[in-house]
Amino acid sequence: NAGVTQTPKFRVLKTGQSMTLLCAQDMNHEYMYWYRQDPGMGLRLIHYSVGEGTTAKGEVPDGYNVSRLKKQNFLLGLESAAPSQTSVYFCASSYSKAEAFFGQGTRLTVV
Amino acid sequence: GQQLNQSPQSMFIQEGEDVSMNCTSSSIFNTWLWYKQDPGEGPVLLIALYKAGELTSNGRLTAQFGITRKDSFLNISASIPSDVGIYFCAGQGAQKLVFGQGTRLTINP
Repeated sequence: NAGVTQTPKFRVLKTGQSMTLLCAQDMNHEYMYWYRQDPGMGLRLIHYSVGEGTTAKGEVPDGYNVSRLKKQNFLLGLESAAPSQTSVYFCASSYSKAEAFFGQGTRLTVV
Repeated sequence: GQQLNQSPQSMFIQEGEDVSMNCTSSSIFNTWLWYKQDPGEGPVLLIALYKAGELTSNGRLTAQFGITRKDSFLNISASIPSDVGIYFCAGQGAQKLVFGQGTRLTINP
């Protein structure tokens, strides 16, 4: 049972480049989340989804877009990367509104 | 938006000591969760609390869901070296799961 899998694990982007982070879960969870983690800031919610085909904004959605075309996948897109988006990104999923399980994270550096 | 205030931000203790940390919020939550994060890893769930006033233990860990539904605490008894890490509280509201800033625990042997 793989749980929550994030790809890639590491990435370096140049300012202005675009990329997509993939989150896949094999637990048939309805809820999925994308967070970013910065030193001293804890985990801040970027976007989330309560089911296939639905997405909603979290605390810090600007500069990001998401899609949930399939229940098991939640994609996070950066259309034009900025140095302020250098962070560690975590995906999580849950059956209900709690007990979220996390992936291993994606460390993104924008230069 | 919903804000969680977690304290302390960091703790430096001796092995064997007890640890206490807490979270407060201006909003009411339906569920409180406590997670631990080791370096280079994602957070791992320690304890989940579902009812106001609920007191739950998991080994040396004890957590409580405050009566007002706006706060929670986590206690660790008789700390050991593997307790080192960052501890996060999280509150579940209508749909979103939001996190505190974390408490970094360092243990001196």
